Parts: sequence; C-alpha cells; structure tokens
Amino acid sequence: EDQVTQSPEALRLQEGESSSLNCSYTVSGLRGLFWYRQDPGKGPEFLFTLYSAGEEKEKERLKATLTKKESFLHITAPKPEDSATYLCAVPPFYGGSQGNLIFGKGTKLSVKP
Amino acid sequence: DAGVTQSPTHLIKTRGQQVTLRCSPISGHKSVSWYQQVLGQGPQFIFQYYEKEERGRGNFPDRFSARQFPNYSSELNVNALLLGDSALYLCASSLGVTDTQYFGPGTRLTVL
Repeated sequence: EDQVTQSPEALRLQEGESSSLNCSYTVSGLRGLFWYRQDPGKGPEFLFTLYSAGEEKEKERLKATLTKKESFLHITAPKPEDSATYLCAVPPFYGGSQGNLIFGKGTKLSVKP
Repeated sequence: DAGVTQSPTHLIKTRGQQVTLRCSPISGHKSVSWYQQVLGQGPQFIFQYYEKEERGRGNFPDRFSARQFPNYSSELNVNALLLGDSALYLCASSLGVTDTQYFGPGTRLTVL
C-alpha cells in the first residue's frame, strides 16, 4: 500500500537553530514528491516538487532533497514566520486517479524568537 | 493573478442535512480535486475532475458527490451529514491531471 510517513510530528526550534524534517514514502514507482506549507485554518501552499533521487530545490531558508526512500526539508536559520505545518505528498502509482495525492500527517514546526 | 477560491468560508449544519461547497480554479487550470482534512491529519483525497469528467474517487461513501462545470468550476455535495463529516474541505486546481496542485483556502464545515 502506498504510504507517506513524516517525522517528527512536532518540532520546536529557537530562531536561528537549523534542523531537518523527514518524509519517508513507499510507492511502487515515484512520480514526484511534493512539499507544502500549511498555516492554521488555511489551505496548503505549494513549496517544491522533486522527481528523482539526488534532486535538490531551494527557496529562501528551505531546501528539499530526495533519495530513493525519503525526502528531507532542511530549514536553515529559521525565523518565527517559518512556523507552520509542513506536509509531504506523493501520487499513487497504481489505481485510482493519477492526480490524487497521498499526504503524510505533517510536521508542526514552531520557531521561538 | 487570482488563486483558487472557495465558498463559503465557514458553514454550520446539523446532522442529516445536505451541503454544497463551491470552488473556482486558477484561470487556465482544467483539473479540480477535492480533499477532506480533519484536525491533526493530512488532506485525504475525495475526487478529481478534469474537463468535466470524473478522473478519480477516493475512499468516501456515496453521500459524497461532485461535478465540474464548463467554466471548470466545481461543486462538492455531501448528503445526510454526519458528525464525522466536520472538517476542512479543500479544493485544489492544476493545469492537467498530473500537474502540481494549488490549493484554495478551504471551507470549514461544522456538523452539529
């Protein structure tokens, strides 16, 4: 069964304290891995798409990397405004809609000043 | 450019009632997907429509239905509401079926 697992569930950082969020996935064939940011009560905001192992993408203080089994979202010198829930998602390989996304439960990041 | 819009923002219903949620995609996007997100969980796929045709359905009961209009906007209908239907309902649009999905702000449904 296609599955996405994110860890940790919650992460508390001090401003400027760098860290990484993990997303492990089990799909028969990866057709893309998506990272989203979600603020409380709002819709997810698209951050990155990664397609192949070794690929990296950056945006401000965020860098996403991909291996054959997992993806990492590295946060460098975070600021309080980076506080949000970060969601990882993959499309299923077999069955159903090829446009469906399977989401993990997310990592809730809190950055204290 | 306008993003995905959803209406209403919030909705309160009682058990057994019916509800219709609306979504307008980003201009030029032909695919709309619906997701349900309960507190503390990631979004769960309900439907995807492309060019007015259903292209996928998640593991939801037949009380859930949807349609897409010629202008690519979409409606999600839920009949015979249950307490467990209380959630944030998200609409996402994309250019095509497998392209990056962009989400709207969601509709918060509370069933009493």
